[in-house]
Amino acid sequence: EVQVVESGGGLVQPGRSLRLSCAASGFTFDDYAMHWVRQAPGKGLEWVSGISWSSGTIGYADSVKGRFTISRDNAKNSLYLQMNSLRAEDTALYYCAKLSVSGGWFNAFDIWGQGTMVTVSS
Amino acid sequence: EIVLTQSPGTLSLSPGERATLSCRASQSVSSTYLAWYQQKPGQAPRLLIYGASSRATGIPDRFSGSGSGTDFTLTISRLEPEDFAVYYCQQYGSSPQTFGQGTKVEIK
Repeated sequence: EVQVVESGGGLVQPGRSLRLSCAASGFTFDDYAMHWVRQAPGKGLEWVSGISWSSGTIGYADSVKGRFTISRDNAKNSLYLQMNSLRAEDTALYYCAKLSVSGGWFNAFDIWGQGTMVTVSS
Repeated sequence: EIVLTQSPGTLSLSPGERATLSCRASQSVSSTYLAWYQQKPGQAPRLLIYGASSRATGIPDRFSGSGSGTDFTLTISRLEPEDFAVYYCQQYGSSPQTFGQGTKVEIK
């Protein structure tokens, strides 16, 4: 079964750091770009960051640029999001999402995890 | 950044009725790089449509997408009980990729 499973969320104070992980299985992980999308409580979807299969192309939303770092370890079939200088407005459910086409960048997301909740509060 | 505006915000319909959801972009969407997702409470989004009009794997043919440029539509021909959910459009042809604010399809 093709799936991705997020972990690492939790309650953190403003200004602190957190690292999210996404474990992939059931597909050839290093063929696909991977992304993080977040959803604040009761709100819509917001793209956060994406990384190509080779890590050669990386993108960030302006709202997280300079604070968040995306990375991947293809040997471990894992995606990461290092989140520094966290703010209250970063509170959200963070989804890991797989691109629908191998080797591509501009495409829809066909596999989503169930998300990991990040709460930034003092 | 391309802003996607979905309308209406909420659509109240009965099972068996036709649903028409709109997604309007602030700029032309490259090569119809437009997707639609369905999200039910407590669940992750599910890809329905990509490339503006192609159904994703396993999606029933009562779901169809159309449009180009700045105007896109998701149509559900006959609503089934499991179709009541929130629907989001997404453009992925221009960085940053963006989502619409969502349309809730609720039971009337």
